[in-house]
Amino acid sequence: DVKVTQSSRYLVKRTGEKVFLECVQDMDHENMFWYRQDPGLGLRLIYFSYDVKMKEKGDIPEGYSVSREKKERFSLILESASTNQTSMYLCASSFEGRLKNTIYFGEGSWLTVV
Amino acid sequence: AQKVTQAQTEISVVEKEDVTLDCVYETRDTTYYLFWYKQPPSGELVFLIRRNSFDEQNEISGRYSWNFQKSTSSFNFTITASQVVDSAVYFCALSENYGQNFVFGPGTRLSVLP
Repeated sequence: DVKVTQSSRYLVKRTGEKVFLECVQDMDHENMFWYRQDPGLGLRLIYFSYDVKMKEKGDIPEGYSVSREKKERFSLILESASTNQTSMYLCASSFEGRLKNTIYFGEGSWLTVV
Repeated sequence: AQKVTQAQTEISVVEKEDVTLDCVYETRDTTYYLFWYKQPPSGELVFLIRRNSFDEQNEISGRYSWNFQKSTSSFNFTITASQVVDSAVYFCALSENYGQNFVFGPGTRLSVLP
């Protein structure tokens, strides 16, 4: 079974803090993604990565950065957390083969910025 | 540009009723992939099904069935004899062949009442 693990399930951070959300997948997937999910807005893509050290901006990259130093790990960084970044963050991964594969999600990280 | 529409925001049914969740998509690609995911209250998105654009066969898996119609750009999901455990938010998603991005619909919240 594919396993996508997000390091923190629930976090509470203060405004201005630097926040790291870590994600690890165990299926040797090339692609990894970070989404945020908000009521009424659905899932919105923040960043994705298709290879080590490669990254592409998604729909809402402002206020976020990412790091992919190893294939299995994709980190989302909030340089200076703000209250409007209170949300649920979902990490996902997928295989990039000749036939497009399925995207698998972690359990989600609930971040509250106070 | 790709887009997924789930017109039903919320649906409530009584246990054992059948329910259909609608999904309409837009894409310019001739090869694409459609997905359904279930998100229970715990938060994790659980993969249910993937369908390739060149395979219009309907699929049945237990109480779940999917009706893919390219002519109407729809990929509807039916739950037969619904159960309380089916209560969740259901997302339809689209991925085009030459991109790593997955576009999600806004989701439909299904409540199955005992």
